[in-house]
Amino acid sequence: DIVMTQSPDSLAVSLGERATINCRSSQSVLYSSNNKNYLAWYQQRQGQPPKLLIYWASTRESGVPDRFSGSGSGTDFTLTISSLQAEDVAVYYCQQYYYTPRTFGQGTKLEIK
Amino acid sequence: EVQLLGSGGGFIQPGGSLRLSCAASGFTFSDYAMSWVRQAPGKGLEWVSAIVASGRNAYYADSVKGRFTISRDNSKNTLYLQMNSLRVEDTALYFCAARTNMVTEDYWGQGTLVTVSS
Repeated sequence: DIVMTQSPDSLAVSLGERATINCRSSQSVLYSSNNKNYLAWYQQRQGQPPKLLIYWASTRESGVPDRFSGSGSGTDFTLTISSLQAEDVAVYYCQQYYYTPRTFGQGTKLEIK
Repeated sequence: EVQLLGSGGGFIQPGGSLRLSCAASGFTFSDYAMSWVRQAPGKGLEWVSAIVASGRNAYYADSVKGRFTISRDNSKNTLYLQMNSLRVEDTALYFCAARTNMVTEDYWGQGTLVTVSS
């Protein structure tokens, strides 16, 4: 199975500051035929189901604020929140959907400093 | 509005069986693949199983292969997960999720809790 490793495990950022979460896959999730990275990011607030933020590594889901952005290719990816808001406190997961079984990272807990 | 309403969870002894259901509304259920993802208490997300729109093909995590069966009834807009030979480590909140963007799980239910304990 593809192993997804996120860093850091937890992160504390001041309101209005930038938050960066990294995700590395044990194999490339870039499909050469369409040049797409099969990588998604989810946000899970306490007591809630996950919410899709980004897919194809950098495509923002409809309704997701533009302070959320995704980047990277191949095996290394980043989720960036440009200006942290209080409602962004959550656990963030990356997921690869190139291979079956689909696998998630272990999660990164984001808090306010 | 897309809604996914899970049911069927509960407390069960090891070796027992449960069937989870997920009633879908707000989208054309028969057009999209569906998944089950679980989350053990205080832990991360684990993809469990998925089924294509027609129901013809299904996929499983190694941890549940041979014990769990995913199915769907497109006439009832309902997704199922039959769980047999349950183990303590199957204790989790089970989410059903839809792939209406044809890519990955974009709508999620609130989850149904399964507790396996003696």
